[in-house]
Amino acid sequence: KQEVTQIPAALSVPEGENLVLNCSFTDSAIYNLQWFRQDPGKGLTSLLLIQSSQREQTSGRLNASLDKSSGRSTLYIAASQPGDSATYLCAVPYNNDMRFGAGTRLTVKP
Amino acid sequence: KAGVTQTPRYLIKTRGQQVTLSCSPISGHRSVSWYQQTPGQGLQFLFEYFSETQRNKGNFPGRFSGRQFSNSRSEMNVSTLELGDSALYLCASSSAYGTGGDGYTFGSGTRLTVV
Repeated sequence: KQEVTQIPAALSVPEGENLVLNCSFTDSAIYNLQWFRQDPGKGLTSLLLIQSSQREQTSGRLNASLDKSSGRSTLYIAASQPGDSATYLCAVPYNNDMRFGAGTRLTVKP
Repeated sequence: KAGVTQTPRYLIKTRGQQVTLSCSPISGHRSVSWYQQTPGQGLQFLFEYFSETQRNKGNFPGRFSGRQFSNSRSEMNVSTLELGDSALYLCASSSAYGTGGDGYTFGSGTRLTVV
């Protein structure tokens, strides 16, 4: 059974700081891993999708890495801004659905 | 291209009533999944449809049902609403054969409040 865990559950940082969010999964036989952002009361916005054959993906200030063998992924956010404040979730496909972590709630203080 | 469209955005229903939510996937996407999100339980998988067939179902009572039409649009229905059904209902579409090979795209969700 695939279980996804995210650490930390919450994170508060001052503006401008670089930060790392962590995601771990128990079954390394994944097709891909996806990072999402969710603002309060809104849907999920896809940030990055890493295929199983890839080690990392980058989009602007975001960089996601994937280590299948250790069952881990990290989301690196450079030069954080108040607008980055949101909940970040990672997810992997499993049995025709997606398994989500509980998310990391990020607050970036001006 | 148009994203995933969920209607309505907000709903208020009375306990015991039933409700139908709609999800129109991205054009060309054949897989639609539904999730319930509550503050206490996080994202909970409801069911997934591919080409009008339900292929997977989460651990929800039979009051929760769904279907998918030939144009890939999907609906979910909740009968005999309970207070605990109050949640944000999200649907996601994918182009791949259910494994999310191209990743999932989510709609903005339907906020259901049961009073």
